[in-house]
Amino acid sequence: EVQLVESGGALVQPGGSLRLSCAASGFTFTKFALTWVRQAPGKGLEWISTITGSGGATYYAQAIKGRFTISRDNSRNTLYLQLNSLRAEDTAIYYCSKGQMNSPYYFTDYWGQGTPVTVSS
Amino acid sequence: QSVLTQPPSASGTPGQRVTISCSGSSSNIGSNSVYWYQQLPGTAPKLLIYRNDQRPSGVPDRFSGSKSGTSASLAISGLRSEDEADYHCASWDDSLRGWVFGGGTKLTVL
Repeated sequence: EVQLVESGGALVQPGGSLRLSCAASGFTFTKFALTWVRQAPGKGLEWISTITGSGGATYYAQAIKGRFTISRDNSRNTLYLQLNSLRAEDTAIYYCSKGQMNSPYYFTDYWGQGTPVTVSS
Repeated sequence: QSVLTQPPSASGTPGQRVTISCSGSSSNIGSNSVYWYQQLPGTAPKLLIYRNDQRPSGVPDRFSGSKSGTSASLAISGLRSEDEADYHCASWDDSLRGWVFGGGTKLTVL
């Protein structure tokens, strides 16, 4: 059974940093791209970033480019998202999701339960 | 403002058939596959339709997807109370080099 468990969400001040983690199990980790998607309170879904199975290619939404960094540790079956220079508009639930294939052009089939990030002073 | 356009709300009575539209452009839906997700209240999204019209195992055949040109649709037949949820469409955008979503449609079963 595929499981994705996010952690690391917290209340952080504007300009602060945070690292989110996503522990994965139930599939061959290196064979699939992984994606972060967020959802602001009462809003729709927003794609943030995707990383291929080897970690060799990464893709970012323009809204967060230069501030967020996606990475993965294939020895630990864990996906990360480093969030820097946080703004109030980054407040959202952040979801980790598994790609259907090892390609950014096939979207996701399984999602974690999400971890909340609140940016406020 | 979402790149893909969905109606904010839809409704139907039990047993009815409802459709939810998702409108895009040549750089996204017009040249790439569409995915649909169901999000029940307070839960994470769940894959409902992939590559325009494919259903993952476990998704009832009451749910179907279609695509024509730069638009896509999700149809739900035999509507049930448990179908009350938010529905989101997504597609890769060649110009933005990333995935784009619709704003989501809240389906109410009357």
